[in-house]
Amino acid sequence: QKEVEQDPGPLSVPEGAIVSLNCTYSNSAFQYFMWYRQYSRKGPELLMYTYSSGNKEDGRFTAQVDKSSKYISLFIRDSQPSDSATYLCAMKASNFGNEKLTFGTGTRLTIIP
Amino acid sequence: GAGVSQSPSNKVTEKGKDVELRCDPISGHTALYWYRQRLGQGLEFLIYFQGNSAPDKSGLPSDRFSAERTGESVSTLTIQRTQQEDSAVYLCASSSLDGTEAFFGQGTRLTVV
Repeated sequence: QKEVEQDPGPLSVPEGAIVSLNCTYSNSAFQYFMWYRQYSRKGPELLMYTYSSGNKEDGRFTAQVDKSSKYISLFIRDSQPSDSATYLCAMKASNFGNEKLTFGTGTRLTIIP
Repeated sequence: GAGVSQSPSNKVTEKGKDVELRCDPISGHTALYWYRQRLGQGLEFLIYFQGNSAPDKSGLPSDRFSAERTGESVSTLTIQRTQQEDSAVYLCASSSLDGTEAFFGQGTRLTVV
């Protein structure tokens, strides 16, 4: 079993719809959770970062963490064609020492105009 | 430099040849990651360097793959006797010791013919 599971998609939704992207994980030590966005032929870039359970909002994006269920989500409101990209979740147990980031495989999202 | 730099950006090689991929991390970043991304797929962890600690090589797919890093500077990923299944984008990322965000380079697109 992989430490982080993410549905690879592809996921296609019409412009303006709410998008929900999810990851589950098995390692209860994970404390830091991130969402990266990757446009075609580019390296991933950090979109959202959360620590602890709960919601974090940034513009049209909301990151949600449920540690009891080992489940994280990214919601995109009023989706735009420019949101079309691959979204990768990532997580880490600690901010110190030798802890490495563990990534999901990514979900390819297409917003249809 | 301002970001993570990878070279070459594209590499076409014949099956059976050796290749070297280079990553220049952000200055001062102690952590360095190599990932592989096959066409249409997610990030596959290869190797992780953190300062002077022993690298985490658990993701290297075979003994044809190796990587080196001198101190906190440049890293080289070497693939010996390349096979067609090695064709992928190889991404490098770096982060600071207590940082959560990993900054990615643009990747090297390797094609084995």
